[in-house]
Order: sequence, then C-alpha cells, then structure tokens
Amino acid sequence: GQNIDQPTEMTATEGAIVQINCTYQTSGFNGLFWYQQHAGEAPTFLSYNVLDGLEEKGRFSSFLSRSKGYSYLLLKELQMKDSASYLCAVPWGGGYQKVTFGTGTKLQVIP
Amino acid sequence: NAGVTQTPKFRVLKTGQSMTLLCAQDMNHEYMYWYRQDPGMGLRLIHYSVGEGTTAKGEVPDGYNVSRLKKQNFLLGLESAAPSQTSVYFCASSVQGAPSYGYTFGSGTRLTVV
Repeated sequence: GQNIDQPTEMTATEGAIVQINCTYQTSGFNGLFWYQQHAGEAPTFLSYNVLDGLEEKGRFSSFLSRSKGYSYLLLKELQMKDSASYLCAVPWGGGYQKVTFGTGTKLQVIP
Repeated sequence: NAGVTQTPKFRVLKTGQSMTLLCAQDMNHEYMYWYRQDPGMGLRLIHYSVGEGTTAKGEVPDGYNVSRLKKQNFLLGLESAAPSQTSVYFCASSVQGAPSYGYTFGSGTRLTVV
C-alpha cells in the first residue's frame, strides 16, 4: 500500500520562505507530485520529482530523497496569494494512472 | 481553451436517486480520472480510464459506475445515492506516459445527498 504524511497546517509571513514536508511509503516508487489547491477550487499541478535532488521553478522548488521516503516543497518570497493547501501525491500500482494524495498542508500567509 | 469541464457544478440529491456527472476535456488526453474529496481524507480515486472504451477501478469504486464512450468524455454515475456520497467530485485528465505534466483538474461538482 501507500501512505503519505504531511503537516496539517502551517503559518508563514509574507516575504519569508516556508518548507512544507512530505513523507511517504509506497511499493514501487514512480515519482512524487506536488499540487496547490486554493479553497473552493481545483488542485493545480506544481511539480513532479522522480530523481533525488532539488528542482527549481521560479519561487517554488521541490526536493526528493528516495532513500528516506521524503520530499519537501520550498516556497520563497511568500505572497498572500500563496495561501492555499499543498498536496503531496504518489503513484501506486505501477504506472502513473493511479495516484494517492496526502490530506494536504494548509498554508496561511500573514502580513 | 476550456481544459476540463465538469457539469453540474452543484447538485442536491435525495437518498436513492440516481444521477450522472459529466466530464469533458478538449486537450486530447488519453487518461481521465474521477476523484472525490472529503474533509480530512484527501483526494481519493474512484475510477479511471486509460483510453476510449476502457475503465478501471480505483481506491473507492463501490456505488459508482463510469463510462468512456468518447475519448473526450468521462461520465460518473451514481445508481442509488447515499448520504456517504456527499462530497466534492473532481474529474482530471493527463497525457499518456508524461507524468511531468501532471493532472489537469476540472472545477469540481459539489454533491449533497440528503
């Protein structure tokens, strides 16, 4: 089976940096996804990591350590619009068709 | 450039009624999915399809049926609605063999069963 663990809530200050952690257990690793979901809206894709290391996309970066079953999403220069839930997800059962999502980390950015 | 469109956006059903949720995508994606999202539970996969005419069960398929008669459409049916099916339903699609693009989600259907 697969299990994903993320903190439930976090608060950070506008302009700061925040790191959102995700630990996972899955049989047969096929990569890890991060999604952003604003309240009342659909999730939107942020990143996909399949190799160890840090991948940067503008203000957002995602890190993966396969040996530790660990990933984090790093948000720099926080803006108020970054207040959202951040979902960690991993494929299961071979391939990418079936993806299990964590319950998400609700990030509140305060002035 | 619509992406993934879900209809209806809101619906209230009585226990035992049936309904069909419609999902349409205009991106020529091979893969389509139905998820439900409940507080504290995260997104859970109901059914998915890897191409026209094919469907498969996900994590929580009981009480739901699906059909993919055309590549662009993926229908989710509730045969006899139960209060436990009160949820937000999301349809999504993705490119075959290209996980680095992720899923594209529809805006969701908020279903209440009373």
